[in-house]
Amino acid sequence: AQSVAQPEDQVNVAEGNPLTVKCTYSVSGNPYLFWYVQYPNRGLQFLLKYITGDNLVKGSYGFEAEFNKSQTSFHLKKPSALVSDSALYFCAVRATSDKFYFGSGTKLNVKP
Amino acid sequence: DGGITQSPKYLFRKEGQNVTLSCEQNLNHDAMYWYRQDPGQGLRLIYYSQIVNDFQKGDIAEGYSVSREKKESFPLTVTSAQKNPTAFYLCASRADLINEKLFFGSGTQLSVL
Repeated sequence: AQSVAQPEDQVNVAEGNPLTVKCTYSVSGNPYLFWYVQYPNRGLQFLLKYITGDNLVKGSYGFEAEFNKSQTSFHLKKPSALVSDSALYFCAVRATSDKFYFGSGTKLNVKP
Repeated sequence: DGGITQSPKYLFRKEGQNVTLSCEQNLNHDAMYWYRQDPGQGLRLIYYSQIVNDFQKGDIAEGYSVSREKKESFPLTVTSAQKNPTAFYLCASRADLINEKLFFGSGTQLSVL
């Protein structure tokens, strides 16, 4: 079965420092992986996706994600965090051609 | 959130009552989805539809029903059989089976009175 896991409920980082939000996946076949961000009381917004190709994927708002096949990970990263990056982040996997499964979410707190 | 409208933003359900959550999209997308979000559990798939007049159950369909009579509309009914309906409900759409990106509405918070 296809699934993703986000091992951290919350990540705290100081503004200007690099951030990492972790995601591990379990899939059969080639993984289709995604990151979404959710601000309070809003829907999710697409950040980036990995389908194939380069292991480092660049997305919106300066975010990037590193795909590591041997570690079955797809961690979200940003070189320098902003207070406005504080939000809930979800990793997702495409399970079949028409279904997506989401992780439990990681709350990112960026302190000034 | 652009292009997908969910209403109402807040909804209250009385015991034994059915309630319907609206989801409308003007993106001309083929596929539409309903997810339920509970704190600490992420998003769980309730129902999805790839084309008009067709829909499939997700992982937690019990106590819910949907219809897809028009391409732009995918309403979700929370029936009285759903014993724990309090949650944040998110509707999403996707252009087609080739396009991987999901577009989400801004959600409906359903609470039980």
